[in-house]
Amino acid sequence: AQSVTQLGSHVSVSEGALVLLRCNYSSSVPPYLFWYVQYPNQGLQLLLKYTTGATLVKGINGFEAEFKKSETSFHLTKPSAHMSDAAEYFCAVSESGGSYIPTFGRGTSLIVHP
Amino acid sequence: NAGVTQTPKFQVLKTGQSMTLQCAQDMNHEYMSWYRQDPGMGLRLIHYSVGAGITDQGEVPNGYNVSRSTTEDFPLRLLSAAPSQTSVYFCASSSRGSGNYGYTFGSGTRLTVV
Repeated sequence: AQSVTQLGSHVSVSEGALVLLRCNYSSSVPPYLFWYVQYPNQGLQLLLKYTTGATLVKGINGFEAEFKKSETSFHLTKPSAHMSDAAEYFCAVSESGGSYIPTFGRGTSLIVHP
Repeated sequence: NAGVTQTPKFQVLKTGQSMTLQCAQDMNHEYMSWYRQDPGMGLRLIHYSVGAGITDQGEVPNGYNVSRSTTEDFPLRLLSAAPSQTSVYFCASSSRGSGNYGYTFGSGTRLTVV
């Protein structure tokens, strides 16, 4: 069974500050890990993914995430927040060799203050 | 443009009515899924399909039916609508063969049951 925990339903940062959104997962097999972003009244858009290989993955809009197996974590970071980054962010996990159907976390709303 | 198309975008139903939410993708993806999104709950899997003629239940299947007669289409049927089914519904598709494993989402159907 797989599960995802996103710490913090809301994260507030100032424009230009570091963004850190936390995600911990549980999986019985090597995981595939994803971050999605959802802007108001839109569907989800893939930000980045980890499947195999390099544990530091870079995505769109300057975001990156690092897969840490020992900590079962896949935190999302961005060095400098922009107002346009305000959105809902979802972490997801699927199991390699399984059905590949992802399980999503409950989401973290990123608020960016000017 | 290639992608996942959901119709309708908005729907109001009376309790007990039935309806079908339509989902179509033109990317030849074998995997398709239906999720519902409720505030604070993230995305919960209703049903999924790993190919034409193959469907399975997700986390919250009660009150919903699906079928997959073609690769392109994956309709979701509400048999007898209940207020608890008021939600935003997302259809998504993916292809294992692409090596991506990430899902492409439709723009959603906002359903209100009164």
